[in-house]
Amino acid sequence: EAGVTQSPTHLIKTRGQQVTLRCSPISGHTSVYWYQQALGLGLQFLLWYDEGEERNRGNFPPRFSGRQFPNYSSELNVNALELEDSALYLCASSLALGASTDTQYFGPGTRLTVL
Amino acid sequence: GESVGLHLPTLSVQEGDNSIINCAYSNSASDYFIWYKQESGKGPQFIIDIRSNMDKRQGQRVTVLLNKTVKHLSLQIAATQPGDSAVYFCAERAGGYQKVTFGTGTKLQVIP
Repeated sequence: EAGVTQSPTHLIKTRGQQVTLRCSPISGHTSVYWYQQALGLGLQFLLWYDEGEERNRGNFPPRFSGRQFPNYSSELNVNALELEDSALYLCASSLALGASTDTQYFGPGTRLTVL
Repeated sequence: GESVGLHLPTLSVQEGDNSIINCAYSNSASDYFIWYKQESGKGPQFIIDIRSNMDKRQGQRVTVLLNKTVKHLSLQIAATQPGDSAVYFCAERAGGYQKVTFGTGTKLQVIP
């Protein structure tokens, strides 16, 4: 069974540009989570989507946004990129809330570098 | 996002010894706890989880202990191997649509 997949693997952008990251959850998972992990730091929660709706949001500015599609895949959009947005962006998926287990399983991440 | 320290605490263990990684959590309402392992350049990998109605859970070579009285979680790795070298994160969740909060991580170095 395929795990969580993310694309692209690496991305280089310049300040002010916009970026879209993509995530496909494990088959059967309906919840998708996005995290930011700056180099050497822990995981900072960004967004949580479940059944197409945003369920929770971390302490990030509005230029970080996303959506979840009917097939449960998800996009993370970052507008007006800043240097400090350089990080590994991780996507995780889980079964629906209330399922026997809602453990999050992570993808390999997208490494974003902002120059 | 919240700020965390740049320097991870490091635990150095001789190959074959047992490792104990500790984690203190802050939310007394947390009812679900998870340990993840993250190798360099990779996404976190699920190791083991425990719910608040338990105080111990065992997996293959790993044991998680939960002490709700002092809000403490630990991960024990038996017969530590070089492949266990990674950063280990504990995580907690308070239920419902509450986000999962990750700890700052502990770097485990296994000395051959």
